[in-house]
Amino acid sequence: AQKVTQAQTEISVVEKEDVTLDCVYETRDTTYYLFWYKQPPSGELVFLIRRNSFDEQNEISGRYSWNFQKSTSSFNFTITASQVVDSAVYFCALSENAGSNYKLTFGKGTLLTVNP
Amino acid sequence: GAVVSQHPSRVICKSGTSVKIECRSLDFQATTMFWYRQFPKQSLMLMATSNEGSKATYEQGVEKDKFLINHASLTLSTLTVTSAHPEDSSFYICSAGGDRPSQPQHFGDGTRLSIL
Repeated sequence: AQKVTQAQTEISVVEKEDVTLDCVYETRDTTYYLFWYKQPPSGELVFLIRRNSFDEQNEISGRYSWNFQKSTSSFNFTITASQVVDSAVYFCALSENAGSNYKLTFGKGTLLTVNP
Repeated sequence: GAVVSQHPSRVICKSGTSVKIECRSLDFQATTMFWYRQFPKQSLMLMATSNEGSKATYEQGVEKDKFLINHASLTLSTLTVTSAHPEDSSFYICSAGGDRPSQPQHFGDGTRLSIL
């Protein structure tokens, strides 16, 4: 069975600090996709990034960066110079092949609070 | 802009009422849509996979007769909570996409359902 573990339930930082959100996954599939989503207090889910299992290159997008380590089954997310607007719940998710559909298995989420 | 529209955003109604939630893909055709339920401070739990033109696939433990799903067109799926009771109060979120594992699911803004 697919599993996504986000061990950090809550993280609190002060503005401008860097913060890393951890994600560890389990899957038997050789081809799979990993995602990060942001859920601000308003509730909507915002897609941040997709990474396939064959692409271990790290990615940077502005203040966001992602580190994919297949050897340790981890897909960590770092926010540099955090801002108050980064405060949200962040979910890591794994795409699961379920016949003709591809379901997402979500981690429990990490609540990030950035204080001014 | 939003690619998935969900309506209504909030519903408050009496116990015993049936409530319909709509999920529309705005600028693409979605043969597959997903319905999730989220309790406060918890992760998203997949309820069912909605397939255009065929019956929905429900996750284990989800009552088919309680949560009716209809996916009559390539841009619209509906979730009807029948004879809702207070324990059905939750945040319901739909997503579209995910026909392929590489394709990120785009989420609606969610519907906050409160049953009195």
